[in-house]
Amino acid sequence: AQKVTQAQTEISVVEKEDVTLDCVYETRDTTYYLFWYKQPPSGELVFLIRRNSFDEQNEISGRYSWNFQKSTSSFNFTITASQVVDSAVYFCALTNDYKLSFGAGTTVTVRA
Amino acid sequence: DAGITQSPRHKVTETGTPVTLRCHQTENHRYMYWYRQDPGHGLRLIHYSYGVKDTDKGEVSDGYSVSRSKTEDFLLTLESATSSQTSVYFCAIAAGISGNTIYFGEGSWLTVV
Repeated sequence: AQKVTQAQTEISVVEKEDVTLDCVYETRDTTYYLFWYKQPPSGELVFLIRRNSFDEQNEISGRYSWNFQKSTSSFNFTITASQVVDSAVYFCALTNDYKLSFGAGTTVTVRA
Repeated sequence: DAGITQSPRHKVTETGTPVTLRCHQTENHRYMYWYRQDPGHGLRLIHYSYGVKDTDKGEVSDGYSVSRSKTEDFLLTLESATSSQTSVYFCAIAAGISGNTIYFGEGSWLTVV
């Protein structure tokens, strides 16, 4: 069975602060994929990143960065210099065999 | 834009009535999914399809059926709607270079009264 845990339910920060979202996963598979999705207040689910289990290289995309550590089964997400538009629910997810298992999500509120 | 269209986007229905949600994709992706999203539960897989007439159950399939008679359409039917099925329903497809990136439609808000 697969499981994704996002221990942080809500995070509130002031604009320009950095935010790190934690994601811990469990799987017995050796090949799997990890994802992060953003759900803004408008409700759609926006794909942010996919990482496969054989690629532990960290990734940076603009103000977003991801830290994948297989040894601790973690795939953490950092937003640098947060902006009000980053306010959303962020979901971590895990898949193998083409089926996604989601964490419960972390609500990020960025105050101006 | 992953070329996914869900209909209807919003629906209010009465308990006991059948309801069908439609997911349409334009890019011939093999895998399609239906998820529901509820507060405190995140997103949970209802059913998925891996080809025409090939479907399988997810973790919360009771009370739902699906059909896929064409590659582009994946239908979710609530056979007799109950208030516990009030939810937001998302369709998704698996795409990307290796077909392992899952993209979601805009969601269908269903209220059962």
